[in-house]
Amino acid sequence: AQKITQTQPGMFVQEKEAVTLDCTYDTSDQSYGLFWYKQPSSGEMIFLIYQGSYDEQNATEGRYSLNFQKARKSANLVISASQLGDSAMYFCAMREGPKAAGNKLTFGGGTRVLVKP
Amino acid sequence: DAGVTQSPTHLIKTRGQQVTLRCSPKSGHDTVSWYQQALGQGPQFIFQYYEEEERQRGNFPDRFSGHQFPNYSSELNVNALLLGDSALYLCASSRTGVRETQYFGPGTRLLVL
Repeated sequence: AQKITQTQPGMFVQEKEAVTLDCTYDTSDQSYGLFWYKQPSSGEMIFLIYQGSYDEQNATEGRYSLNFQKARKSANLVISASQLGDSAMYFCAMREGPKAAGNKLTFGGGTRVLVKP
Repeated sequence: DAGVTQSPTHLIKTRGQQVTLRCSPKSGHDTVSWYQQALGQGPQFIFQYYEEEERQRGNFPDRFSGHQFPNYSSELNVNALLLGDSALYLCASSRTGVRETQYFGPGTRLLVL
């Protein structure tokens, strides 16, 4: 079974509008972390936001917020007030298990976002 | 504060050859992870080094090996290259702690002909 599922391969969004990128995950661990990364065409993965499984509040970082619904095992990324520079691939990733054993990330297949002027 | 650096940026090899990729972690980071990203896919975890030891390994053959040096920098070696090894190789570093967020370098694009 897929650990991380991103069901939207691509989407268009109008500049200055908000966009929600879907991510569902599968784990039996109680302790895990969820991450979102942005990958522009240059290739570098840029860290955007983190949500821990025990965090009660949804994470926010500037224009990025994470809609964490633990019971549904979803961790959707919301980008508010989209900018042209937001056009990129976006990846959801999960770290699971005790950190002492390593903190490898498992990635989803990504969602390509294109912001239209 | 320098971020994660990788070298070389691009590389072209032929089947059967061997390649070494290099990574310097972000200042203050002690853990280095390597990922392979094929075109159009998400990154796949290769292995992770901590305290100069391989701490975790993904589902990659023994042709993929690595090393971490006392200054925390790392190398990824791939022997007997196959066409399917063509990919973007990403290095990520993190600091042991609460979140252990991984920060990525710009990657090395490897083309095997």
